[in-house]
Amino acid sequence: TQLLEQSPQFLSIQEGENLTVYCNSSSVFSSLQWYRQEPGEGPVLLVTVVTGGEVKKLKRLTFQFGDARKDSSLHITAAQPGDTGLYLCAGQAAGNKLTFGGGTRVLVKP
Amino acid sequence: NAGVTQTPKFQVLKTGQSMTLQCAQDMNHEYMSWYRQDPGMGLRLIHYSVGAGITDQGEVPNGYNVSRSTTEDFPLRLLSAAPSQTSVYFCASSRVRGTNYGYTFGSGTRLTVV
Repeated sequence: TQLLEQSPQFLSIQEGENLTVYCNSSSVFSSLQWYRQEPGEGPVLLVTVVTGGEVKKLKRLTFQFGDARKDSSLHITAAQPGDTGLYLCAGQAAGNKLTFGGGTRVLVKP
Repeated sequence: NAGVTQTPKFQVLKTGQSMTLQCAQDMNHEYMSWYRQDPGMGLRLIHYSVGAGITDQGEVPNGYNVSRSTTEDFPLRLLSAAPSQTSVYFCASSRVRGTNYGYTFGSGTRLTVV
């Protein structure tokens, strides 16, 4: 069984601060995806990283895939209340199955 | 809008009752799956399908059945509901070829078994 651990589980910060969420595994994944989920809705894909060491930027969000393709991080610069939500990482292995981490709940206070 | 449609959005069942959660997608995606989401446990895979007529078990399949007669539909059946099946259920789809395609999720069905 491939496991993904996310840390921290909960993060509360003030608007304008930076934050980083980590996603770690002992397994190698062919790709790693990040989703954001808002209350009452399904997860929405933010980004997919494929290559070890890859860095992708989405406005104020920076995603990095570890060199060994076992870990990833999500960094938000100058967080805004609209960034509030549950952030989920998911590792994709052969056969298209996704394994999800437990999630990080982010609260950005105005 | 194109996407994954789940019905119903909310459901209350009595222990022992059966029901079917519906899931339909209009993106011609070959891969479809069902997850349950419980507090502190993330999303766990129940069943999945790589195409019409093909289904397989995920991490937590007990108490659930699926079938895939068409590309568009992937219903999840609870055979005899138990309180442990109280959860939020999500259906997701994606293209099957390659491993770099993200999933599109439905908005979920919140199920309570009393």
